[in-house]
Amino acid sequence: DADVTQTPRNRITKTGKRIMLECSQTKGHDRMYWYRQDPGLGLRLIYYSFDVKDINKGEISDGYSVSRQAQAKFSLSLESAIPNQTALYFCATSNSGGADTQYFGPGTRLTVL
Amino acid sequence: AQSVTQLGSHVSVSEGALVLLRCNYSSSVPPYLFWYVQYPNQGLQLLLKYTTGATLVKGINGFEAEFKKSETSFHLTKPSAHMSDAAEYFCAVTFNDYKLSFGAGTTVTVRA
Repeated sequence: DADVTQTPRNRITKTGKRIMLECSQTKGHDRMYWYRQDPGLGLRLIYYSFDVKDINKGEISDGYSVSRQAQAKFSLSLESAIPNQTALYFCATSNSGGADTQYFGPGTRLTVL
Repeated sequence: AQSVTQLGSHVSVSEGALVLLRCNYSSSVPPYLFWYVQYPNQGLQLLLKYTTGATLVKGINGFEAEFKKSETSFHLTKPSAHMSDAAEYFCAVTFNDYKLSFGAGTTVTVRA
């Protein structure tokens, strides 16, 4: 079984809808991250969490919110989806920061019409 | 502000030829450096990383990279490309405790 799972893997929605993307991990890591990937831009950090009570905005948090339900679960919500949020979204985890490797889930492809 | 530049968004190589992917960063302090690979419809997987010590780092699948502080570079190489190397490759750096900054990515195509 995969260490980092994301659901759903694909989602098509309409402008204005609320969407939740979920991430679960079995690696026992404290740190979790949400990134979005756009062609030609690499990955950009949306939110990150050092533990259940420590959640922080990344470089592109506008239009997104998150919830850390447990050490193993970190959800990303789009309160009112807009077309420019169409992207590939990745969850990642790490044991700590700095040189520690981040482990990525398989991604969720979101299309907002 | 720190940044990561990957030269070339697409690289095409023949099977058996050298693979060279370039990565430069801007920073006044030495970073931690990473190369990740993304195969189609998959998440990112770590190829290798530089933290401290030896500047030539060996990774999985025959890849290696060399940290050159004077050139602020961390180029990725593989002596002989295989068809299975077709993927997108990302260079990433971190200068602090949490944030990975990614390059734009380089897509590698391998010709038979």
